[in-house]
Amino acid sequence: GQNIDQPTEMTATEGAIVQINCTYQTSGFNGLFWYQQHAGEAPTFLSYNVLDGLEEKGRFSSFLSRSKGYSYLLLKELQMKDSASYLCAVNSGYSTLTFGKGTMLLVSP
Amino acid sequence: DGGITQSPKYLFRKEGQNVTLSCEQNLNHDAMYWYRQDPGQGLRLIYYSQIVNDFQKGDIAEGYSVSREKKESFPLTVTSAQKNPTAFYLCASSTDRNNQPQHFGDGTRLSIL
Repeated sequence: GQNIDQPTEMTATEGAIVQINCTYQTSGFNGLFWYQQHAGEAPTFLSYNVLDGLEEKGRFSSFLSRSKGYSYLLLKELQMKDSASYLCAVNSGYSTLTFGKGTMLLVSP
Repeated sequence: DGGITQSPKYLFRKEGQNVTLSCEQNLNHDAMYWYRQDPGQGLRLIYYSQIVNDFQKGDIAEGYSVSREKKESFPLTVTSAQKNPTAFYLCASSTDRNNQPQHFGDGTRLSIL
């Protein structure tokens, strides 16, 4: 079966750095995606990792370790608008994604 | 502007009634997907289609049906057999290459009257 774990909730302060972890056990691996979803809205694509290492995109970075089945999303210089749910999703090679339950991030002033 | 359009945004269903959720995309994507999202459950795959006139069941297909008669359209019918249909339904599309992200519509929120 497929299993993806993320923390349910996290809190952080405006201007700070936060790391959201994702661990996965899947029957195959063909890449890992991170999405951001504001309440009641569509998920929007943030990053994609298929090789080990860090991918940086402005204030957001994502890291992957395939041997450990582990990824994290790093958000720097947090802003109030970053309050959202962050979804980790794995492509296990069957043309579909398996999503984690999401991590709700609350950024406070 | 290319994108995915879901309609309606809010939908109410009476007991024993079938309802159809619309999903249209003009991104020229081959693959389309339907997900259900419940609080604390994340996104769960209902059905997906990689090509016109073909579709596969996802993890929670019971009580749902789909069709893919045109590349641009992938409607989802929630049948009366789906006993707990209240949820947020999301449609997505992609180029069906593993490294390409799925693009999502704005969702339809279905409630039972």
